Amino acid sequence: DAGITQSPRHKVTETGTPVTLRCHQTENHRYMYWYRQDPGHGLRLIHYSYGVKDTDKGEVSDGYSVSRSKTEDFLLTLESATSSQTSVYFCAISGGGYEQYFGPGTRLTVT
Amino acid sequence: GQQLNQSPQSMFIQEGEDVSMNCTSSSIFNTWLWYKQDPGEGPVLLIALYKAGELTSNGRLTAQFGITRKDSFLNISASIPSDVGIYFCAGSSNAGNNRKLIWGLGTSLAVNP
Repeated sequence: DAGITQSPRHKVTETGTPVTLRCHQTENHRYMYWYRQDPGHGLRLIHYSYGVKDTDKGEVSDGYSVSRSKTEDFLLTLESATSSQTSVYFCAISGGGYEQYFGPGTRLTVT
Repeated sequence: GQQLNQSPQSMFIQEGEDVSMNCTSSSIFNTWLWYKQDPGEGPVLLIALYKAGELTSNGRLTAQFGITRKDSFLNISASIPSDVGIYFCAGSSNAGNNRKLIWGLGTSLAVNP
């Protein structure tokens, strides 16, 4: 299994509060991705990174920001959480090919 | 955003039966991937395909890269209870340098022991 962890694994927060999710990899892979998974929508790309300090938006980036200051860490921030951001968030990593390897996920509930 | 057309949406079968599912795209892909997701976990890569017509097996699983490059198929032979889960297809046209994938919505598989 790819060395990829996510923290926290579960979080409950209130509307309007900032939230940061962390993805950590030990594979030294160049590419990292943040997805959200919701019933009926499958996996939707939020942001991705193609190198340290190199990031770009995915299809559902509004309300989210990311940062990657080190190869191994990719942070996803919800500046002001809303109920529509209640979801399961997955981080994925990719090396030289197109295969992506996923972390265990973070279940976020915004009340 | 673009999505792949994955079918069937769900399946309920008896243990021991064979399973077939497929994924189609409106555009040509150069890479097809198949994943399985167990409840409460992240998707796990099952099979990767990189060449039109390619047929690749992983145990009881066999996947094919369609000759038209617009579809892919996954077959599971002699299903067992642990095959239960959601199966996702994903593909890429390999355009750009971002390694982004286009995803299907998944096929949910239930197996009756």
